[in-house]
Amino acid sequence: AQSVTQLDSQVPVFEEAPVELRCNYSSSVSVYLFWYVQYPNQGLQLLLKYLSGSTLVKGINGFEAEFNKSQTSFHLRKPSVHISDTAEYFCAVRPNNAGNMLTFGGGTRLMVKP
Amino acid sequence: DADVTQTPRNRITKTGKRIMLECSQTKGHDRMYWYRQDPGLGLRLIYYSFDVKDINKGEISDGYSVSRQAQAKFSLSLESAIPNQTALYFCATSDLLRTGADTGELFFGEGSRLTVL
Repeated sequence: AQSVTQLDSQVPVFEEAPVELRCNYSSSVSVYLFWYVQYPNQGLQLLLKYLSGSTLVKGINGFEAEFNKSQTSFHLRKPSVHISDTAEYFCAVRPNNAGNMLTFGGGTRLMVKP
Repeated sequence: DADVTQTPRNRITKTGKRIMLECSQTKGHDRMYWYRQDPGLGLRLIYYSFDVKDINKGEISDGYSVSRQAQAKFSLSLESAIPNQTALYFCATSDLLRTGADTGELFFGEGSRLTVL
C-alpha cells in the first residue's frame, strides 16, 4: 500500500513571494506522481504530473515540481505567487503497475495575501 | 457545459433517508470513480468502475452502493444516510493511453455537497 503526506495543512504567503508546498510519499514500487489544484467551489484539476524521465516537471500557471526518489518527495514550487493561486493543493501517488488507484494526501491550503 | 456533471450540487437530508448522487460525463471515458472529500483527509475512493459491467469497491465502500447505468452515467447511493457521511462527494473519469496504460490522470466534476442531519 502507498501513502502520501502533505506536511503543511495551510501555507500563508504574500503576493509575489515564492512558495513551496511539500509532499512525501511511501510506496514499495515505482510510482506516478501528481499535483491537483482545487479552486473554491470547484472540482480538482490537474496541475502537473510525473510519469518518467526528467525529474523536474513543469505544469500550468507557472508551477513546477521536482521528483526526488531518494527522499521520496515531490514538492511543488512557484517563484512568485498571485492572489489567484489561492486554492487547495493535493499531492497524489499511483503505483505504476496496472489496476492501482490514486492515493491522495490531505491537502494544503495556499492562502495568498496582498 | 461541464464534461463531468454532478447532480445535485447541494443536498441536506436526515438520518435514515436514502440518497442518490448522479454523475454523467461527455468525455467518452470508460473509467469512472466516486470519491469523498473530508477536511484534512484529502480524497478517499468509495467505488470505481472500469466499464459498464465492472464495479469495484474502493477504500471506504461501507454504507454506499453504486450503479453504472451506461458508459456515461455512474450513480452513488446512500441507502440509509448517517451524519458521518456528511462530506463533499466527487465523481471523476479517466481514460487509457493508446498503449492501454492508465496514467491515473483524473477529470473531476464540481462536487456534490451532502449534509446529513
